[in-house]
Amino acid sequence: DTAVSQTPKYLVTQMGNDKSIKCEQNLGHDTMYWYKQDSKKFLKIMFSYNNKELIINETVPNRFSPKSPDKAHLNLHINSLELGDSAVYFCASSPGGRPNTEAFFGQGTRLTVV
Amino acid sequence: AQSVTQLGSHVSVSEGALVLLRCNYSSSVPPYLFWYVQYPNQGLQLLLKYTSAATLVKGINGFEAEFKKSETSFHLTKPSAHMSDAAEYFCAVRPTGGGNKLTFGTGTQLKVEL
Repeated sequence: DTAVSQTPKYLVTQMGNDKSIKCEQNLGHDTMYWYKQDSKKFLKIMFSYNNKELIINETVPNRFSPKSPDKAHLNLHINSLELGDSAVYFCASSPGGRPNTEAFFGQGTRLTVV
Repeated sequence: AQSVTQLGSHVSVSEGALVLLRCNYSSSVPPYLFWYVQYPNQGLQLLLKYTSAATLVKGINGFEAEFKKSETSFHLTKPSAHMSDAAEYFCAVRPTGGGNKLTFGTGTQLKVEL
């Protein structure tokens, strides 16, 4: 019973393709996030949703579009993939309105664009 | 914006030696602080967190951290390193004034040698 699960774990695709990564959490949390981890292990927040509403939208190319059909799911769709999009993408969740609580992370999706 | 700085992108210790990983925050108001560990090809796991209840915080796997307001620091320590501690360690910050954004430091890779 994984708390935050992402699919797929690995994704290899060609430049120009469109791909999606799915995330689901069964913790009952209100807030979900997408983080990007680059080859130097640097973690940068991309988006955050609270109860299906977008609350954080960092400087991310508009080729990246998050979608939250309900508060337990947050998907990430990427259009026209580029080589620089290669990274590990992490989904996370945390209770909403409680900044003293930690975020729980999924296992990551390693995206390789060739 | 609040941030954390991790001094030393790579730290190497001998098995049985003290582990000290440094984290300094930049904020006029003490924020909430977290230490996460990432093992190879895995997601992030919470080690411990500071939420203003106690300045000395004990976490999992024998790790602890002390919040020092005068030094704006939250360094992670472990008295005796074990080979299994080899991993990437991240310090993270979240503002106490509200908001869900969890911002990570650049990470420190810990190597444990025999």
